[in-house]
Amino acid sequence: GQQVMQIPQYQHVQEGEDFTTYCNSSTTLSNIQWYKQRPGGHPVFLIQLVKSGEVKKQKRLTFQFGEAKKNSSLHITATQTTDVGTYFCAGPGGNNRKLIWGLGTSLAVNP
Amino acid sequence: DSGVTQTPKHLITATGQRVTLRCSPRSGDLSVYWYQQSLDQGLQFLIQYYNGEERAKGNILERFSAQQFPDLHSELNLSSLELGDSALYFCASSVGLQGHKYGYTFGSGTRLTVV
Repeated sequence: GQQVMQIPQYQHVQEGEDFTTYCNSSTTLSNIQWYKQRPGGHPVFLIQLVKSGEVKKQKRLTFQFGEAKKNSSLHITATQTTDVGTYFCAGPGGNNRKLIWGLGTSLAVNP
Repeated sequence: DSGVTQTPKHLITATGQRVTLRCSPRSGDLSVYWYQQSLDQGLQFLIQYYNGEERAKGNILERFSAQQFPDLHSELNLSSLELGDSALYFCASSVGLQGHKYGYTFGSGTRLTVV
């Protein structure tokens, strides 16, 4: 079945370093969504990308959707301790009835 | 406050018991989704309702069932509970299907502990 893979599973960085997580789908996606879950919290919607090659920025976060619409990335510039959490990507299933979720990338930031 | 209300926040129960988790979606959202998240695990999709009708099923056990009522709130029933059912159960809602454009809004979850 359709799968969404995320790498890396875990990432440990020093505060101020950059961080990137990658999301790869086994099929072409009509859109991709990114969520952040803080430790002990619930997932929070960050953004949706729809167009091939789309790039969107939210302050220090840059989201990119691949040209083939099968992969995406989230890049954080100069990480801060407030960036700690798990970042999930998700895309619509082939039957358009549900989102297929990646397993997430857990980010730890050392102050 | 995300606008999605889940009750109770915590639940401790014994094996073999049955519990009901409740979710009120954000105002205006017609879709409700249930997810299970075990320790250090991703989000496991259980089931989705849209305007009272079941729309999609994930890996939901036969011991689990759900429904969405006319006022759009939803309940997830877990029966014959096992130790392995201990997890965080999230409800999410969205305006339409798949959270297009605005994504899913998650509640704060119900932490279920089966002892």
